[in-house]
Amino acid sequence: QQQVKQSPQSLIVQKGGISIINCAYENTAFDYFPWYQQFPGKGPALLIAIRPDVSEKKEGRFTISFNKSAKQFSLHIMDSQPGDSATYFCAASVQGYSSASKIIFGSGTRLSIRP
Amino acid sequence: EPEVTQTPSHQVTQMGQEVILRCVPISNHLYFYWYRQILGQKVEFLVSFYNNEISEKSEIFDDQFSVERPDGSNFTLKIRSTKLEDSAMYFCASRVAGTRAIGEQYFGPGTRLTVT
Repeated sequence: QQQVKQSPQSLIVQKGGISIINCAYENTAFDYFPWYQQFPGKGPALLIAIRPDVSEKKEGRFTISFNKSAKQFSLHIMDSQPGDSATYFCAASVQGYSSASKIIFGSGTRLSIRP
Repeated sequence: EPEVTQTPSHQVTQMGQEVILRCVPISNHLYFYWYRQILGQKVEFLVSFYNNEISEKSEIFDDQFSVERPDGSNFTLKIRSTKLEDSAMYFCASRVAGTRAIGEQYFGPGTRLTVT
């Protein structure tokens, strides 16, 4: 119930294309869904996040689509660039004033953008 | 921009030895976390710390692990007797507290622990 399932494990996209990474969860108590980007040898960096009261959030070339009834969410990277090549983790958390708000990470997607 | 820092960047130790990993969270943050990432795998939660006590820990965080905030700036993870399977990247994270709107956890660059 605490898992976040992520696919695909790896993804190769041509420069300028759209990269799509999908995630699913079971725990309906999750109320915060961040995406993290990780470059080799670095810590995860928050990319974009969404709460379940909205169906879409866009920041620049990055868009999260959220389907609360299906318990699924996805990251779309438009006009993918070689600099986007990294590992992407979807995640989920239970927020709240007193909650420890641990982050549950998906298994990661290694994205490679071909020039 | 404020950031979480961690030292050392790489620690090599022999099995059975004690190690202390150090973190300096962002100064106005009140929640502190340790996560680990075994090579090629996902990031896993270890422990959260708030108001000078552990608020939650995972099943990974057994009696060999402890955390401490020895002063106003440092946050440490101690592994008492390291095992080969403790080899991983350890990430410290921190976040502000008090408002539901602020959920971001900021991660440090990590300490690579190698147990031989």
